[in-house]
Amino acid sequence: DTAVSQTPKYLVTQMGNDKSIKCEQNLGHDTMYWYKQDSKKFLKIMFSYNNKELIINETVPNRFSPKSPDKAHLNLHINSLELGDSAVYFCASSRGQGAHTGELFFGEGSRLTVL
Amino acid sequence: KQEVTQIPAALSVPEGENLVLNCSFTDSAIYNLQWFRQDPGKGLTSLLLIQSSQREQTSGRLNASLDKSSGRSTLYIAASQPGDSATYLCAVDSGGYQKVTFGTGTKLQVIP
Repeated sequence: DTAVSQTPKYLVTQMGNDKSIKCEQNLGHDTMYWYKQDSKKFLKIMFSYNNKELIINETVPNRFSPKSPDKAHLNLHINSLELGDSAVYFCASSRGQGAHTGELFFGEGSRLTVL
Repeated sequence: KQEVTQIPAALSVPEGENLVLNCSFTDSAIYNLQWFRQDPGKGLTSLLLIQSSQREQTSGRLNASLDKSSGRSTLYIAASQPGDSATYLCAVDSGGYQKVTFGTGTKLQVIP
């Protein structure tokens, strides 16, 4: 059983389209995250949700909208895709401990290519 | 603002060698530090988590140490194997409500 699973694994689309990436965790964690890994392999946090509430939104354009229907799911919807959105997007979860993260568990990543 | 650096960016060693990967951070007020490995095209796999009150953690051939005062952590890999080839990342939790800063990574190649 995959602890953190995200779909799709690969996504190729045209500029201007809207797309979604789904994430689910079966670890019973309270907190879920979206990270972006750029072409230089640098990982940067985008969003953090704790018990379905947004905790962090790191200067991400409002074309990116996370949705958490329950604490086991955190989906990422992207409107009006741009070339610069091409990256690998990772979902992660942790048993958040107050203001701290705890051990992070990652999904396999979703590689988005915008043409 | 926390900055995390890993040097070297790439490392190539012959199989069987013991090696050390380095992680430096600028703000010593951390809560924990986590080491990950990332295989090509894959997600991050957690290797070791060290709490700020701990000096080291061990798992099999891996040993991670933490020196908060000097802003450094090392990951020691004993008797390296080709299967250890991957990119190794450290990540520092320095609070600010569940925000973790990742290092730049060290790409390790173990040559058979």
